[in-house]
Amino acid sequence: DTGVSQNPRHKITKRGQNVTFRCDPISEHNRLYWYRQTLGQGPEFLTYFQNEAQLEKSRLLSDRFSAERPKGSFSTLEIQRTEQGDSAMYLCASSSRTSGRIPETQYFGPGTRLLVL
Amino acid sequence: DAKTTQPNSMESNEEEPVHLPCNHSTISGTDYIHWYRQLPSQGPEYVIHGLTSNVNNRMASLAIAEDRKSSTLILHRATLRDAAVYYCIRSNFNKFYFGSGTKLNVKP
Repeated sequence: DTGVSQNPRHKITKRGQNVTFRCDPISEHNRLYWYRQTLGQGPEFLTYFQNEAQLEKSRLLSDRFSAERPKGSFSTLEIQRTEQGDSAMYLCASSSRTSGRIPETQYFGPGTRLLVL
Repeated sequence: DAKTTQPNSMESNEEEPVHLPCNHSTISGTDYIHWYRQLPSQGPEYVIHGLTSNVNNRMASLAIAEDRKSSTLILHRATLRDAAVYYCIRSNFNKFYFGSGTKLNVKP
């Protein structure tokens, strides 16, 4: 299967602990996105990478959140000092950069569901 | 607000057509309209996208209003496997703005 994969699929942690999630995009895709989805809502953009460069961060991404894509392949999203409000589904998506104004199709992984107790 | 507006839920009978509406009254001239759907415990998956003209693919059709302030996703014959949350999305370049989605229930 060459789709987007995310690990772990589920994470339960206590408030104040640090957590790290991993995303493996489709191999030839140079763009990678992180989204957060709370219950009953659509995904909200957090950040995106083009190759290893982090090009944009949402104001939702507080200083407790950090994302990396060190070699332009897989990416990690770390949340430090977790809070109960961080409980959500964290989705990763990847795409290939297109030329001109042709829109990209983003391919999503299954997500990592985080529960902070 | 960059997000789209959709009804919270809709119901359809199996084998019948379904029309899912979306309002995007503040859309700019260069924004595309995308539709994705999300099955339980899965990430969203692509359905269709368009800019100005109506679009058809093997999954669905997309009808875009002439003023581009609204669009409709058309599933020609709903099946039980089409039960999902359908998201209408505005995109500006590669940035996606999701709405809250429409939960589609398909009755056998």
